[in-house]
Order: sequence, then structure tokens, then C-alpha cells
Amino acid sequence: DAGVIQSPRHEVTEMGQEVTLRCKPISGHNSLFWYRQTMMRGLELLIYFNNNVPIDDSGMPEDRFSAKMPNASFSTLKIQPSEPRDSAVYFCASSVRGTAGEQYFGPGTRLTVT
Amino acid sequence: KNEVEQSPQNLTAQEGEFITINCSYSVGISALHWLQQHPGGGIVSLFMLSSGKKKHGRLIATINIQEKHSSLHITASHPRDSAVYICALHDKVIFGPGTSLSVIP
Repeated sequence: DAGVIQSPRHEVTEMGQEVTLRCKPISGHNSLFWYRQTMMRGLELLIYFNNNVPIDDSGMPEDRFSAKMPNASFSTLKIQPSEPRDSAVYFCASSVRGTAGEQYFGPGTRLTVT
Repeated sequence: KNEVEQSPQNLTAQEGEFITINCSYSVGISALHWLQQHPGGGIVSLFMLSSGKKKHGRLIATINIQEKHSSLHITASHPRDSAVYICALHDKVIFGPGTSLSVIP
């Protein structure tokens, strides 16, 4: 299996632009997680889905962030409009059994907003 | 008080040393996860455990759910073990701040 796939790996954009991050979970995994990692705050859960349904989005910073999972093999995290403080590494992970299962992480997307 | 704490924050060891990284938490959980993040940024799952001890190669993880404490041990450490080690609480998906380990040849 290819593991969790994320794209792009690096994104540099200007403040105010829309940013879309993409994730393909491991086939057969029914849970998908989006995380953000910064030096100041470490790893934080943004949102997670079970069977394509958002279960907990309490970690989403504000309305500028939105996440969708239209099918079992694809998810997006969108930031509109982006701000410099959104600069971080965004990880996607998937598991077989939600938060009770072992999570497999993608390589991450390094986002820089100037 | 943070819900998850790790110690030490930073650790430098000589190759071959026995290393212990600790994780303490304040909330009830059913399981805990140890992750390894290499300098390149990739995150790898090392262990998920809910009781007792697990061993994989030179790595050993222990947990005491009642005392809310887990430890990660590395025997015969090697420079390739240099990474950040993060404990994560299941159920609530909360991460510790990480322990940065550097193993010197």
C-alpha cells in the first residue's frame, strides 16, 4: 500500500489567497484526521472524519478553515483567506478504528503564507 | 496545567546508551500512542498500548493506566534514533510537546 498520500508537499502563497490541501487515506481505513503542527503549539487535531462524516471539528481554528470528505478515498482542507499565522505543517492521518485505532500519517504539507 | 507532559524536553546521549523518555497525563484514557518524527518531518507510529509493555526491536514502551504514566525506552541507542518522540492520548487525540533526542556517535 502507498500509505497516506498528501499533496502538495510544499505550498507557498500570499496572504489572502485560497489554499487547498489534499489527502488520500489508506484504502480500507474508515477514519481520517487533519492535524496542524507549529513550533509554538506542537501537533493539534483540527478535525476528524468517520465514514466520511465529520465527527469532531472543535480544533478548526476559525471559519476560514473548512474540511470535506466527499468519499472514502479523498479529503480536502481549505483555508480561505489564508493568513501568515496559518503557516505550519499540515498532516493527514488515517486509521481503521477512529481514535481507538493506530493512526498512519502522511508526509505532511508545509504551508508558508507570506 | 497541560494535559500531557513529557520529560525530558531535550536529550543528548552517546551512542550505545540506554534512553528513557517519560510521558505523564492528567485525563483518563484507554490507550496511548508513541510517535517518532524524524528531522525530515515525517511521523511514524511506534506503539499503541493500553496496558503493560510492548517491545519492537530496541524499543520498549510501558504504560500504567492507573498512574497515568508511560515510558519509552531505547536500548543500545544509535544516531539514527535521533528524532522527536511524541506521546499522544487516544480517545481525546491530545499530543505531548515532544522530546527531542540526539544520539551522538
